[in-house]
Amino acid sequence: QKEVEQDPGPLSVPEGAIVSLNCTYSNSAFQYFMWYRQYSRKGPELLMYTYSSGNKEDGRFTAQVDKSSKYISLFIRDSQPSDSATYLCAMSAMGNNNDMRFGAGTRLTVKP
Amino acid sequence: ETGVTQSPTHLIKTRGQQVTLRCSSQSGHNTVSWYQQALGQGPQFIFQYYREEENGRGNFPPRFSGLQFPNYSSELNVNALELDDSALYLCASSLPVDNTEAFFGQGTRLTVV
Repeated sequence: QKEVEQDPGPLSVPEGAIVSLNCTYSNSAFQYFMWYRQYSRKGPELLMYTYSSGNKEDGRFTAQVDKSSKYISLFIRDSQPSDSATYLCAMSAMGNNNDMRFGAGTRLTVKP
Repeated sequence: ETGVTQSPTHLIKTRGQQVTLRCSSQSGHNTVSWYQQALGQGPQFIFQYYREEENGRGNFPPRFSGLQFPNYSSELNVNALELDDSALYLCASSLPVDNTEAFFGQGTRLTVV
């Protein structure tokens, strides 16, 4: 069993849909939870950063962390074609971005 | 675009050779991490450098080594290349504090034949 599990998709939705992306993990030491977006032929870029459990909202993006279930989610509201990318969850037991453990990524396509 | 630049962007090497990849961190960032991303997979942590010292290492063999220079730029060296080393190599720079963003470069695509 992988330490971080993420459904690779692919996921295809119409423009304007709400997208739900999820990851599960097994290491209870993880405290820092991140979502990255990666466009083709580019490096990942940070979307959301959450410490411990709870929700965090930034514009159309909402991140949720449930440490009791070892489950994290990213919701994208009013999805746009420009949101088409691979979404990677990442987590770490340490701060300062040390030893981040990534999921395999979910490829999302938003169709106009 | 982030301020993290990596060179070269693409590289083809033969099995058994050695390779050096370079990373220039974002201005003011003294922490650099290196990741290996195989096709269709998430990045895997290789190691992190802070103030020229290794500050954590993932599950990679000793033939993966690194350096960080006084200007915080960094190198990743891989000896005795194997076919499975073919991947996108990413570096990320950050500040050594919690709850702060790591900025990734565009990566170096290494192909070992």
